[in-house]
Amino acid sequence: QVQLVQSGSELKKPGASVKVSCKASGYTFTTYAINWVRQAPGQGLEWMGWINTNTGNPSYAQGFTGRFVFSLDTAVSTAYLQISSLQAEDNAVYFCARVEGSGNNEFGYWGQGTLVTVSS
Amino acid sequence: EIVLTQSPATLSLSPGERATLSCRASQSVRSYLAWYQQKPGQAPRLLIFDASSRATGIPARFSGSGSGTDFTLTISSLEPEDFAVYYCQQRSISRTFGQGTKLEIK
Repeated sequence: QVQLVQSGSELKKPGASVKVSCKASGYTFTTYAINWVRQAPGQGLEWMGWINTNTGNPSYAQGFTGRFVFSLDTAVSTAYLQISSLQAEDNAVYFCARVEGSGNNEFGYWGQGTLVTVSS
Repeated sequence: EIVLTQSPATLSLSPGERATLSCRASQSVRSYLAWYQQKPGQAPRLLIFDASSRATGIPARFSGSGSGTDFTLTISSLEPEDFAVYYCQQRSISRTFGQGTKLEIK
């Protein structure tokens, strides 16, 4: 079965960097893009963008350029989200997600989420 | 950027009642509209895609309708497990989510 398993919670100081992983299993990794979604505490969902797992080409949504980098290691079927120069506003749960497939282009598969806490 | 506005922000109903949630887009998204359910501490769950198609395993009490700029998610008879936050999301131009509707027990 399709699974997206994310790395554990992170506690970082302001100005530091963090790298969140999303390991896929149960399907051919390069068949479907990996998307990233942010959810600040008590807030809604924000789509951050996606990475083409076949070409490695990332695409970033408005507001997620500069400090945010999507990357891959296809050898281990894993996508990564790196955030640099962490700020208090980066406090959030970060989800990876994949479309359902078979004609359904919405996010039918989600990771469990990774909590990133930025605090001095 | 396409803005999705959900209403109401909070909906208070009792089990067995009918729930009607709305999502309005700032410009046409054709039928590229999805609905998700999220419970505390969990990832969102896809309910409806392409405005009116139920995702795999979603009960028939959930239905979606609309096209263009106005969309509705209807839950015909609320079960206790349906009380959660619901988000709409478009994929016509890039992807954006609405701000959510909290469905709470009255």
